[in-house]
Amino acid sequence: SQKIEQNSEALNIQEGKTATLTCNYTNYSPAYLQWYRQDPGRGPVFLLLIRENEKEKRKERLKVTFDTTLKQSLFHITASQPADSATYLCALNTGTASKLTFGTGTRLQVTL
Amino acid sequence: EPEVTQTPSHQVTQMGQEVILRCVPISNHLYFYWYRQILGQKVEFLVSFYNNEISEKSEIFDDQFSVERPDGSNFTLKIRSTKLEDSAMYFCASSEGTGFHPGTDTQYFGPGTRLTVL
Repeated sequence: SQKIEQNSEALNIQEGKTATLTCNYTNYSPAYLQWYRQDPGRGPVFLLLIRENEKEKRKERLKVTFDTTLKQSLFHITASQPADSATYLCALNTGTASKLTFGTGTRLQVTL
Repeated sequence: EPEVTQTPSHQVTQMGQEVILRCVPISNHLYFYWYRQILGQKVEFLVSFYNNEISEKSEIFDDQFSVERPDGSNFTLKIRSTKLEDSAMYFCASSEGTGFHPGTDTQYFGPGTRLTVL
C-alpha cells in the first residue's frame, strides 16, 4: 500500500543549527512534492514545491531535495530560529489530479 | 493578503445530527478542497471541486458527505448524519487552478473548523 513516512515524531535542535527533515515514500510515483508548515490549531501553510525532474529547490533559509530513485525528499532549514518551531508536513501529488497526500509530519523544536 | 476563511471555528453536535461547515475560498481561485485531520493524525484528503462539480474524492467521502457552492463565494461541506469518528479538524483549501497541471497549484488552507461529535 502507499505510504509516506517522515522521520521521528519530534526533532530538537539548537538555534543557529541546520534542521534536516526526511520524507520517504513507497508505492508512489509523485510528480510533485510539497512541504508545508503547520502550527498548533492552524491549517498547513505552503513552503516549497519541487518537481520530479528537479534535484534541489531553495527559498531563503529553506532547501528541499528530491531523489526519485531513493524515493526520498530532504527538507533543510539553515540558521534555525525558535520561530521555526512547528510541525513540517510533506505532501505528494501525482500531477494528474489535484489531491495532496500528506505524511505524518515532523515536529521541530528549536531551542535557544 | 487574501486568505481562506472558515466558520464556525468550533462546532459541537450530537451523533446523528447534520452539520454544515462553511468556507470562503480566495476570490479568484477555481479549485476548492476539503481535508480533515483527526487529532494527532495526518491531514487526509476528502474531496476536490472544480467547475461546479466534484473533481476527485477519497474513500472517506461516502454518501454521508456532500459539498456545494451555493453562491459565488461560499463552499460548504455537509455531513448528513454525524458519527463519533467524524470528530476532527476540517480544513478548506483553495488554489488558482490555472496551472497546466493541477498538482503545481499552491493550495491555501483555511484555519479549520474543529468538529466535535458527542
